[in-house]
Amino acid sequence: ETGVTQSPTHLIKTRGQQVTLRCSSQSGHNTVSWYQQALGQGPQFIFQYYREEENGRGNFPPRFSGLQFPNYSSELNVNALELDDSALYLCASSFLPYEQYFGPGTRLTVT
Amino acid sequence: AQRVTQPEKLLSVFKGAPVELKCNYSYSGSPELFWYVQYSRQRLQLLLRHISRESIKGFTADLNKGETSFHLKKPFAQEEDSAMYYCALSGPGGGSQGNLIFGKGTKLSVKP
Repeated sequence: ETGVTQSPTHLIKTRGQQVTLRCSSQSGHNTVSWYQQALGQGPQFIFQYYREEENGRGNFPPRFSGLQFPNYSSELNVNALELDDSALYLCASSFLPYEQYFGPGTRLTVT
Repeated sequence: AQRVTQPEKLLSVFKGAPVELKCNYSYSGSPELFWYVQYSRQRLQLLLRHISRESIKGFTADLNKGETSFHLKKPFAQEEDSAMYYCALSGPGGGSQGNLIFGKGTKLSVKP
């Protein structure tokens, strides 16, 4: 059984640029959730995708958007990057309610 | 607003001592509560959830609705328990799978 994978591991972007982060869900999982974890904080819910549709959203502006593909993999897109977007971005996949399996994260640094 | 509070950033105990990691929550409704753990250089993983009433790696947690608490306990700490622990609440707006609201975490350090 393959676990949740994320790419890239880390990247550096400049303020105002756009970034795409990728997540492959665990085999058999049809739901993907994205979280932002700032330094010293717990993960904060961004949004969730279920069968290619957005299925819930946290308190993040529209410049945070996402996609889920037929194979249940997912992308997180962030436009017009701001310095405060620097964080660890976590993807979690699930099949049963609430049993979320996390990926290793992508560390984004915005300069 | 739904919130999870973990009052201790760092908890340091000696091997064999009892451990209690505190978690308080605010939530209007019947919450689902969880403890997640992150060992060094590993990913975040579910430790236990209140609804299953399990004991995992010797840890237990009881939901106290009166005190709105979900403290994590272990009678005898082991060095391998050293990790970052996050209390989480399943909140609204997360769709059928539920989104998680996390506390800021408590770093547990078990000394030999």
